[in-house]
Amino acid sequence: EVQLVESGGGLAQPGGSLRLSCAASGFSFSSYEMNWVRQTPGKGLEWLSYISSSGRSVKYADSMQGRFTISRANAKNSLYLQMNSLTAEDTAVYYCARGKTDYGDSYYFDYWGQGTPVTVSS
Amino acid sequence: DIQMTQSPSSLPASVGDRVIITCRASQSISKYLNWYQQKSGKAPKVLMYGASNLQSGVPSRFSGSGSGTEFSLTINSLQFEDVATYYCQQSYSYPYTFGQGTKLEIK
Repeated sequence: EVQLVESGGGLAQPGGSLRLSCAASGFSFSSYEMNWVRQTPGKGLEWLSYISSSGRSVKYADSMQGRFTISRANAKNSLYLQMNSLTAEDTAVYYCARGKTDYGDSYYFDYWGQGTPVTVSS
Repeated sequence: DIQMTQSPSSLPASVGDRVIITCRASQSISKYLNWYQQKSGKAPKVLMYGASNLQSGVPSRFSGSGSGTEFSLTINSLQFEDVATYYCQQSYSYPYTFGQGTKLEIK
């Protein structure tokens, strides 16, 4: 059974940092692209970042560029999101999601973790 | 960025109804459109990908159509367990973007 379990969320100070982790099991982690998506009541679902199966290719939403860093450790079946310079607008539930595409068809998120909440407040 | 606009934002319907949710893209996205269902307190779950492909395990009462800028998700014979918020998402270009959601509730 595919499982994605996020951790590392919590309370952070404005200007502070957090590192989120996503532990994967039930599939060959090193063969799949991964993503981070967050959800806020105000802005809804927001895609944040993508990383290729090898980790050599990454992409970010413009508003995350320079502040957030996605990485992975295939030997540990783990995905990470380093978040720096946090502001109140980063308060959200953060999900890791596996990416999937079939024969050049639409790329979609076929498995999601349960999410980890992040609150940025003084 | 490609803007995704869903309508309606809220949709009260009765069990057994045929329900249609629409999603409009701000530019053509071919068929790079996915639909997700999110139940209260849970993570989103993919229903349809590539506009009209039913994800494995999803009931056949769900169907999707459209291409270019106009898409729709249809639920035939609405069931109680379909109460959820539904989101469309484009994967035509980065950044991938979602619609604002359609909250489906039982009358």
